[in-house]
Amino acid sequence: DAKTTQPPSMDCAEGRAANLPCNHSTISGNEYVYWYRQIHSQGPQYIIHGLKNNETNEMASLIITEDRKSSTLILPHATLRDTAVYYCIVSPLSGGYNKLIFGAGTRLAVHP
Amino acid sequence: NAGVTQTPKFQVLKTGQSMTLQCAQDMNHNSMYWYRQDPGMGLRLIYYSASEGTTDKGEVPNGYNVSRLNKREFSLRLESAAPSQTSVYFCASSDLADTLAKNIQYFGAGTRLSVL
Repeated sequence: DAKTTQPPSMDCAEGRAANLPCNHSTISGNEYVYWYRQIHSQGPQYIIHGLKNNETNEMASLIITEDRKSSTLILPHATLRDTAVYYCIVSPLSGGYNKLIFGAGTRLAVHP
Repeated sequence: NAGVTQTPKFQVLKTGQSMTLQCAQDMNHNSMYWYRQDPGMGLRLIYYSASEGTTDKGEVPNGYNVSRLNKREFSLRLESAAPSQTSVYFCASSDLADTLAKNIQYFGAGTRLSVL
């Protein structure tokens, strides 16, 4: 019951912007888009989330299309430490517990 | 600020042995989770505890039991380990009572378990 589609891998040069796409064409009106990343051998780390407006924090920016069917996570100045698997997840805020589905994600390799 | 602490970090078991994976969080979160991650795959939820005193099955609960000892601690027990349970186990916590933050889970560093 995967709700998101991501490319399996991407490359980025150090210092350049990394733009990671995610397709969530079946997203419901009450579902938010979440991004997590998992650096090798570590536990996943929350990055950012949003509903329909673009969001920015100290780690990244999240751009959600107007129809909300896709989004892009932007790491503005990628470093070698940003090499990780990035997971795009959709989940509602309403109700109690809502399962977070960590699929295969996108493996981002940042190279010198 | 420790966050989520898991012990042990590594463990090797023989088939049929039992063990308990420990998890503790110091963020006063009411909800805790156990996941497993097999090589090259995403995380799969084993069990979760929405609040102290409650536990519920996730997508892969067979072969595991859990105990929510108190608000801080959530343990995962393998009663009779099998090679298929070789995996990396992650514990996480979140504050389900905070509507805006309920889906932000904080993860531990993981326990790498090998069952021979």
